[in-house]
Amino acid sequence: DADVTQTPRNRITKTGKRIMLECSQTKGHDRMYWYRQDPGLGLQLIYYSFDVKDINKGEISDGYSVSRQAQAKFSLSLESAIPNQTALYFCATSDSDTGELFFGEGSRLTVL
Amino acid sequence: DQQVKQNSPSLSVQEGRISILNCDYTNSMFDYFLWYKKYPAEGPTFLISISSIKDKNEDGRFTVFLNKSAKHLSLHIVPSQPGDSAVYFCAATDSGGSNYKLTFGKGTLLTVNP
Repeated sequence: DADVTQTPRNRITKTGKRIMLECSQTKGHDRMYWYRQDPGLGLQLIYYSFDVKDINKGEISDGYSVSRQAQAKFSLSLESAIPNQTALYFCATSDSDTGELFFGEGSRLTVL
Repeated sequence: DQQVKQNSPSLSVQEGRISILNCDYTNSMFDYFLWYKKYPAEGPTFLISISSIKDKNEDGRFTVFLNKSAKHLSLHIVPSQPGDSAVYFCAATDSGGSNYKLTFGKGTLLTVNP
């Protein structure tokens, strides 16, 4: 099993719908992240959390919200999806000692 | 404002030759740099890193060079293999205060031809 698991892996939805992407990890890391990848734009940070009681906005947080339900779970929500949120979304964790990120396999979201 | 720049969207090399991927940064607070590799339909995976106290770090076929004065780093792959074909992301962070929030470049697609 993967250390960082994202669900769903693929989702097609319509404009205005609420969508939740879930992430769980078995690495025991305190730090969790949500990134978005668009073609030609690399990885952009949406939100990050350094522990259960800590939530921080990243570079592109508008239109998104997150919930850190437990050390191992970090979910990303789109309250009212729009087409320009069509992208590949990655959850990641890190060990505070090294800073190296461990990524999930990604969730491809298409908003029609 | 893009703080980490990978100006070459793609690079094609022959198997056995050297691949050189470049990365520039603008934020002088960055002191820890990482390279990630990403295959299609997979998440990025860590490849190699370098701290600003060093100018070179080597791990097998992969070497990262850091030129702090030029705010430039490069990843060398020698010899290149077809399995190295992937998108490579450069990332940087200010490790002061154990922040470790990475800023990524846009990536370079490396194609190694047999």
